[in-house]
Amino acid sequence: DIQMTQSPSSLSASVGDRVTITCRASQAINLYLAWFQQKPGKAPKALIYAASTLQSGVPSKFSGSGSGTDFTLTISSLQTEDSATYYCQQYRTYPLTFGGGTKVEIK
Amino acid sequence: QLQLQESGPGLVKPSETLSLTCTVSGGSVSSGSDHWAWIRQPPGKGPEWIGDIYSSGSTYLSPSLQSRLTISADTSRDQFSLQLRSVTAADTAVYYCARRLAVAGHWYFDLWGRGTLVTVSS
Repeated sequence: DIQMTQSPSSLSASVGDRVTITCRASQAINLYLAWFQQKPGKAPKALIYAASTLQSGVPSKFSGSGSGTDFTLTISSLQTEDSATYYCQQYRTYPLTFGGGTKVEIK
Repeated sequence: QLQLQESGPGLVKPSETLSLTCTVSGGSVSSGSDHWAWIRQPPGKGPEWIGDIYSSGSTYLSPSLQSRLTISADTSRDQFSLQLRSVTAADTAVYYCARRLAVAGHWYFDLWGRGTLVTVSS
C-alpha cells in the first residue's frame, strides 16, 4: 500500500497568513493526488485534483503543487472560513489511501 | 445536478451484516467512465477507502476488508450497495458514498454523499 504522510498534523495561523501543508507519498504517484477540505459534521469537499488542478467553484486562494512523492497545498490568504481539516489522497493505485489530515485553526 | 444519498440502519449488532445503499439522482451508475465508491471515517479519524464499483460492474475492494465485503449495483434503480459481514465495534464509522469523476485520465472523488453514521453495538 502507498502510505500518505501529511505535515504538520495541526497548525494555527492568523487571518491573512499564507499557509502551506505538505503531503509525502511512500512511492511515486506521478500527479495522481487530490486534496480535500472537511469541516466538522460534513463530507470532505474536493479542492484540487491532478496535484494542481483546481476543482470547479473552489476559490483561487487554494493552490497545489508537486509531483512524484512530494506535494503541497497552499492557502494564499487564510480566512476564518478556511478553518477545517485538510486531507491528501492518492489515486495512482489500489488501495486508494488518504493522509492523516492537517487541522487548520485560526488564531 | 447529480446527488448521492446514503441509506440504511444506523445501528448494527456485532457479528451481523452492515448493509447500506447509495442512491444516485440526476445521473446513472451504468453509463460513462465514472466509478462509484464507498469510503468510511471512524469518529475522530481520517477517511478510509472501502471499495469501488465501475459502470461495468467490476469491483475493487480494500484488501483489509475484502473477505467480509460485497459491493454491488442495481442499474435499474441507479443505486449501489455495500454489505460488510461479521461487523465489530471497529466498523463503527460515518459511511460515505462518492463518485470518482474521470477527467483526462484522473479519477478523483469529486462528489460525496452527506454520509451516514453506523454504530456497531449490542
